[in-house]
Amino acid sequence: KQEVTQIPAALSVPEGENLVLNCSFTDSAIYNLQWFRQDPGKGLTSLLLIQSSQREQTSGRLNASLDKSSGRSTLYIAASQPGDSATYLCAFTGGGNKLTFGTGTQLKVEL
Amino acid sequence: DAGITQSPRHKVTETGTPVTLRCHQTENHRYMYWYRQDPGHGLRLIHYSYGVKDTDKGEVSDGYSVSRSKTEDFLLTLESATSSQTSVYFCAALGGNTDTQYFGPGTRLTVL
Repeated sequence: KQEVTQIPAALSVPEGENLVLNCSFTDSAIYNLQWFRQDPGKGLTSLLLIQSSQREQTSGRLNASLDKSSGRSTLYIAASQPGDSATYLCAFTGGGNKLTFGTGTQLKVEL
Repeated sequence: DAGITQSPRHKVTETGTPVTLRCHQTENHRYMYWYRQDPGHGLRLIHYSYGVKDTDKGEVSDGYSVSRSKTEDFLLTLESATSSQTSVYFCAALGGNTDTQYFGPGTRLTVL
């Protein structure tokens, strides 16, 4: 069974700081990896998707990488802003297009 | 959100009563999913559908059933609600050309 771990569980940083969120998984037989953002009381919004054959994807200030050999993915957020405050979840797609989620990192960016 | 809506958005019910949650999508997605989100457990897959009348179980399917009689609607039924089914339920659909899952806004269910 795929196990997905996100560290840290919570993170508080000052505005403007660059930061890295970590996601590790146990089974390298993944179809793709996604990073989602969830605001309090809201649904999930997909941020980046990396296919298993890719190493990274970038969107604006966000960069996600995937290293299947080490079972790790990272989400890099550059020049963090208070509006980035949210919970970030990674998820892996396996057979049947089913997602397995990590438990998330709760990020707070302070003024 | 790829046109995904959920109803109701909030519901309070009593133990032992049946409950049906509805997910509606407007983008003709083939794959649809029901998840529950609980503190300390993250999101867990309950059931999913890969086409009309084609469904399968997920990780936490006990006590739940689903139906999909048409492409746009995916129903989740709790046959006899229990307090352990108090949770936030999310519906999702898989974008055909992007492999991205799009999520609805969620339904907060409280079973007393």
